[in-house]
Amino acid sequence: EDQVTQSPEALRLQEGESSSLNCSYTVSGLRGLFWYRQDPGKGPEFLFTLYSAGEEKEKERLKATLTKKESFLHITAPKPEDSATYLCAVQAGSNYQLIWGAGTKLIIKP
Amino acid sequence: KAGVTQTPRYLIKTRGQQVTLSCSPISGHRSVSWYQQTPGQGLQFLFEYFSETQRNKGNFPGRFSGRQFSNSRSEMNVSTLELGDSALYLCASSADRGSTDTQYFGPGTRLTVL
Repeated sequence: EDQVTQSPEALRLQEGESSSLNCSYTVSGLRGLFWYRQDPGKGPEFLFTLYSAGEEKEKERLKATLTKKESFLHITAPKPEDSATYLCAVQAGSNYQLIWGAGTKLIIKP
Repeated sequence: KAGVTQTPRYLIKTRGQQVTLSCSPISGHRSVSWYQQTPGQGLQFLFEYFSETQRNKGNFPGRFSGRQFSNSRSEMNVSTLELGDSALYLCASSADRGSTDTQYFGPGTRLTVL
């Protein structure tokens, strides 16, 4: 069964303390992996799409990488405004429906 | 380019009532997906419409229904509301199902059932 698992569930960091969030997946025929950021009470905001193993994308303090089994979202020198829930989703095979992870709640303390 | 818009933003209903939520996709987008989000269950897929046809459906009871109009705008309806239907309902649009598609989300409709 296709599955997406995110870890950790929650992560507390001090401002400036770099870390990584993990998204592991078991699907047949990966077509794309998506990262979103969601603030409380708002819709998810698109961050990155990764299509194949080895691909990397960056945006400000965020860098997403992809292997054949997992993706990492690296956060470098985070600021309090980076606090949010980060969601990972996968599109695979002939199904256009996204398979979602449960998210990682990131809290950055000043 | 305007983003995905959803109306209303907030709704309060009582058990047994019905509700209709509206979603206007990004201009040119033909696919609209609906999700239910609750603290305990995360993002749960409801259904997806493409060119006025339902292409995918999640595991929700028949009380949840939707439709899409020729201008790609979509509505979802929930009949006979239950307390457990209280949630954030999100709509997302994407351009074309012919390739890997990025979904762009609206701000959501917060539904509270009393």
